[in-house]
Amino acid sequence: DVKVTQSSRYLVKRTGEKVFLECVQDMDHENMFWYRQDPGLGLRLIYFSYDVKMKEKGDIPEGYSVSREKKERFSLILESTSTNQTSMYLCASSLPDGFNQPQHFGDGTRLSIL
Amino acid sequence: AQSVTQLDSHVSVSEGTPVLLRCNYSSSYSPSLFWYVQHPNKGLQLLLKYTSAATLVKGINGFEAEFKKSETSFHLTKPSAHMSDAAEYFCVVRDTGGFKTIFGAGTRLFVKA
Repeated sequence: DVKVTQSSRYLVKRTGEKVFLECVQDMDHENMFWYRQDPGLGLRLIYFSYDVKMKEKGDIPEGYSVSREKKERFSLILESTSTNQTSMYLCASSLPDGFNQPQHFGDGTRLSIL
Repeated sequence: AQSVTQLDSHVSVSEGTPVLLRCNYSSSYSPSLFWYVQHPNKGLQLLLKYTSAATLVKGINGFEAEFKKSETSFHLTKPSAHMSDAAEYFCVVRDTGGFKTIFGAGTRLFVKA
């Protein structure tokens, strides 16, 4: 089975702090994704990556950046946190084919910004 | 443009009765469609996927979904609900040839004893 591991389940930070959310997948997937999930808004794509050192903006990239130095690891960086970044963050990975490969998700990181 | 509408934000059923979670989509081309389930404080788990091979798709845990192109629907069903089915369910459409994946807003399923 594909395993996507997010380094933290719960994080509490203060506004203005820099936060790193780490995600590792063990299935050699080319594609990796970061989403945030908020009640009533569903999942929204922040960034995705289809190869090492490659990244593409999703629907809501403002206030975030990403890093993919190794194929199995995709990091989400919040440079200077604000309270509106309190959310559940989900990482996912998938194979690179056209469009019918499902995404496999980690258990999420619930981030609270005080 | 692609879009997904889950017609019910909440569904409540009694244990042992059928489950119906409704999903409509819009797509310019033949889409790929998925259903995921999310239990509390967990990530999303794939239930089933439609990729044009067969209109009736069977998934895990007794769930299935039927693709109806004329109705642009992909409803999720299960003959008999179990308490462990209580969770949030997401209908998802995938854009052809690209990375765009669109998630529905989710339907929360409650199962009463």
